[in-house]
Amino acid sequence: AQKVTQAQTEISVVEKEDVTLDCVYETRDTTYYLFWYKQPPSGELVFLIRRNSFDEQNEISGRYSWNFQKSTSSFNFTITASQVVDSAVYFCALSEATGSARQLTFGSGTQLTVLP
Amino acid sequence: DARVTQTPRHKVTEMGQEVTMRCQPILGHNTVFWYRQTMMQGLELLAYFRNRAPLDDSGMPKDRFSAEMPDATLATLKIQPSEPRDSAVYFCASGLKRDSGPPDTQYFGPGTRLTVL
Repeated sequence: AQKVTQAQTEISVVEKEDVTLDCVYETRDTTYYLFWYKQPPSGELVFLIRRNSFDEQNEISGRYSWNFQKSTSSFNFTITASQVVDSAVYFCALSEATGSARQLTFGSGTQLTVLP
Repeated sequence: DARVTQTPRHKVTEMGQEVTMRCQPILGHNTVFWYRQTMMQGLELLAYFRNRAPLDDSGMPKDRFSAEMPDATLATLKIQPSEPRDSAVYFCASGLKRDSGPPDTQYFGPGTRLTVL
């Protein structure tokens, strides 16, 4: 069975600090997909990134970067020079390639608060 | 900017009443998911449709919940009769799944916040 663990329940930083959100996953599949979603106070879930298990290159998009380490089963998310608008709950999720459901298994989320 | 839409955004009802939530997936998407989010359980998958056919509804309480896709532009989730423990935010998501491709990225709607008194 697949599982996603986000050990950090809440993180608080001051604006302009860098912050890393941890995500550790468990799966028996060799092919799988990892996702990050953002849930701002408005409540919507916003898709941020999808990576497949064969691509371990780190990804950078503006102030966001993702570090995928297969050896440690981790897919961490770093926000550089954080801003107040980054305050949200961030979810890491896993989808296995086998089976027809293709469901997402979500972590419990990390509440990030960026203080001015 | 294509988005998943959900109605209503908020619903307050009394125990025993029927509740219907609606979702319009992104045009061209062929998969629809229903999730429920609560503080205690987090995000739980309730049902999954592909090309309007239900593929997985194992997460749904069968006796009171039902999910349908009358057409490609409308998905519904019904609760009858509703109970206080059904209070949650219900999200609909849609994606595009190709036969031999990887899992679709799911794009979420704004959710329906349901309160059952």
